[in-house]
Amino acid sequence: AQTVTQSQPEMSVQEAETVTLSCTYDTSESDYYLFWYKQPPSRQMILVIRQEAYKQQNATENRFSVNFQKAAKSFSLKISDSQLGDAAMYFCAYNDLGDEKLTFGTGTRLTIIP
Amino acid sequence: KAGVTQTPRYLIKTRGQQVTLSCSPISGHRSVSWYQQTPGQGLQFLFEYFSETQRNKGNFPGRFSGRQFSNSRSEMNVSTLELGDSALYLCASSLVNEATQYFGPGTRLTVL
Repeated sequence: AQTVTQSQPEMSVQEAETVTLSCTYDTSESDYYLFWYKQPPSRQMILVIRQEAYKQQNATENRFSVNFQKAAKSFSLKISDSQLGDAAMYFCAYNDLGDEKLTFGTGTRLTIIP
Repeated sequence: KAGVTQTPRYLIKTRGQQVTLSCSPISGHRSVSWYQQTPGQGLQFLFEYFSETQRNKGNFPGRFSGRQFSNSRSEMNVSTLELGDSALYLCASSLVNEATQYFGPGTRLTVL
């Protein structure tokens, strides 16, 4: 079974600085998707970024980018120019190709310091 | 385009009762998945429906069931509620053969 590990339960960063959240996963598959979701206090799960395993290029969405290392099974999220609205729980998630089941990590709580 | 909607948003039940939660996917999305989120177990996959058929099921007892209607709306039912069923239940929808799931705001179920 696939597993997703987030080893940082909590992180904090000064406003306008850069922070990196870590995620590792375990799978025997070669084709899959990886996601970062954000869950603010409202509890609404919001998609931040998605990466297809067959793409070597790292995904980027505005201030959010990933460092995808397929051989190392590592998928970190970098948030640049951190803003107060970035404060939330961040979940890393894995999805096999053709399977609708998402496997989540335990989450990292990100605090933004004004 | 409207997002995924879930009703009710909050629910309080007592042990032994049953509950039905509803989810309306984004227009055009035909796959609906359900997840349970608790502080102890985190986010766990319950089941997924497509075209009124359950295609995938997580490791939950038979008290947890669901269904999908022809308009892609989905319901999940929990019978004989236990205290441990207290959780945030999240519904997500996606397009056919599209991996990205979009989540609703969740239903917070409290079992007393």
